[in-house]
Amino acid sequence: NAGVTQTPKFRVLKTGQSMTLLCAQDMNHEYMYWYRQDPGMGLRLIHYSVGEGTTAKGEVPDGYNVSRLKKQNFLLGLESAAPSQTSVYFCASSYYPGLAIHYEQYFGPGTRLTVT
Amino acid sequence: AQKITQTQPGMFVQEKEAVTLDCTYDTSDPSYGLFWYKQPSSGEMIFLIYQGSYDQQNATEGRYSLNFQKARKSANLVISASQLGDSAMYFCAMREGGNSGGSNYKLTFGKGTLLTVNP
Repeated sequence: NAGVTQTPKFRVLKTGQSMTLLCAQDMNHEYMYWYRQDPGMGLRLIHYSVGEGTTAKGEVPDGYNVSRLKKQNFLLGLESAAPSQTSVYFCASSYYPGLAIHYEQYFGPGTRLTVT
Repeated sequence: AQKITQTQPGMFVQEKEAVTLDCTYDTSDPSYGLFWYKQPSSGEMIFLIYQGSYDQQNATEGRYSLNFQKARKSANLVISASQLGDSAMYFCAMREGGNSGGSNYKLTFGKGTLLTVNP
């Protein structure tokens, strides 16, 4: 199993450009998440999905859009990149927590994005 | 108010010694879980250990143990016999059970503690 994979690993954008980050998981997880990690801030949730065709906003959703057309894929889009979106982006997935909240989240390797 | 607080931005420990990384949390939900993740310099997030709010015993996984003090709302990570490969950023995170109006889907992370193991 590949686990959670992210494409691309690195990207440099100019202000105003758009791009899509792809996350794929092969563990049949229902839940998928996008986080951003900034120095001294820990990880903050951007958007998440509880199943195919559903998405919802997290803590810091502004400037991002997401789609989950297939259960195994979760896409994060930046329509008009800004320097404030320079960050490391992590995708994660997990089983439905339900009452068993011990299910950990499995993380991808991250995408380092720089917006100039 | 912060839900997860890690008060130690950086910690140093000698190889083979034990080290405790602090984590305090804030929730009114009676059902919650606490997680520790390790992030080495290569960047990936590695799950280390989990403690549930109803677990009677402290969690252990190899050299990692969690010192869970529910009344004090603390969930400190203890690493025994530190190794050079333990040098990394460590994050404490919490998932709430959704019984107090919140959602049980998300992890809330602390800001992390950078551990350096000296030879």
